[in-house]
Amino acid sequence: NAGVMQNPRHLVRRRGQEARLRCSPMKGHSHVYWYRQLPEEGLKFMVYLQKENIIDESGMPKERFSAEFPKEGPSILRIQQVVRGDSAAYFCASQTMGGTDTQYFGPGTRLTVL
Amino acid sequence: QQQVKQSPQSLIVQKGGISIINCAYENTAFDYFPWYQQFPGKGPALLIAIRPDVSEKKEGRFTISFNKSAKQFSLHIMDSQPGDSATYFCAASIGGFKTIFGAGTRLFVKA
Repeated sequence: NAGVMQNPRHLVRRRGQEARLRCSPMKGHSHVYWYRQLPEEGLKFMVYLQKENIIDESGMPKERFSAEFPKEGPSILRIQQVVRGDSAAYFCASQTMGGTDTQYFGPGTRLTVL
Repeated sequence: QQQVKQSPQSLIVQKGGISIINCAYENTAFDYFPWYQQFPGKGPALLIAIRPDVSEKKEGRFTISFNKSAKQFSLHIMDSQPGDSATYFCAASIGGFKTIFGAGTRLFVKA
C-alpha cells in the first residue's frame, strides 16, 4: 500500500514564476491537508480539502496561493509569482475520513526561490 | 489561543537515558494530542497520540503524560537510543482536523 506521494521532491523557481506542488493521497483517503515548514520551525496549517471541496483555507495566504483536489487526480498547491519568502518545505497529509483518523504525511516538496 | 508551546528547543541525552519533551496549550477545545517524529529530509510520522480523557498512554518506550487541568502534556522516551535522534513535534487539534504544531525539539542521543 503506497504511502502519500508528493512531487516534485525539490523545486527551484525564480522570483515571479509559478510553482505547482502535487500530492497523491494514500489509497482510500479522500481528505488532504497542506502544511508549510520553514527551516527550524514547526509545520503551519495552510488548507484542508476534500474531493472537489475546500473545507478550511484559514491558513493560506489570500494572495498568490490556491489549492484544489479534483475528483480525479492529485491535489495541487499552486503558488503564483513566487517570492523568496515562499522558500520552504511543503507537506501534504491525507486522512481516510475528516477528523476521525491519523493524518499520514508525504515526504514533502522543498521549494527554493532564487 | 491556537498556539502549542514546546520545550526544550534542543535536547542531548546519553544512550539509555530518558528524554523528556514538554508542551503546553491554551485552547481547551483541543481534544486530540499527537506526537510526530521527523527525520531530516522526511515527512513527520505519527509516533503516539492521546485524548484528554486519559492521563497517560504508553507504547513501547514512548509514553505521553497528560495534565488536563494544567493544559500540559509531555513525551517521555525511555532507554533512549541513537536511532531516536530526530526532531519531535507535539501537536493539538479539534476533532482531528487541522493540526496545530509546536515548534519542535531536536533530540540527539549520544552513543
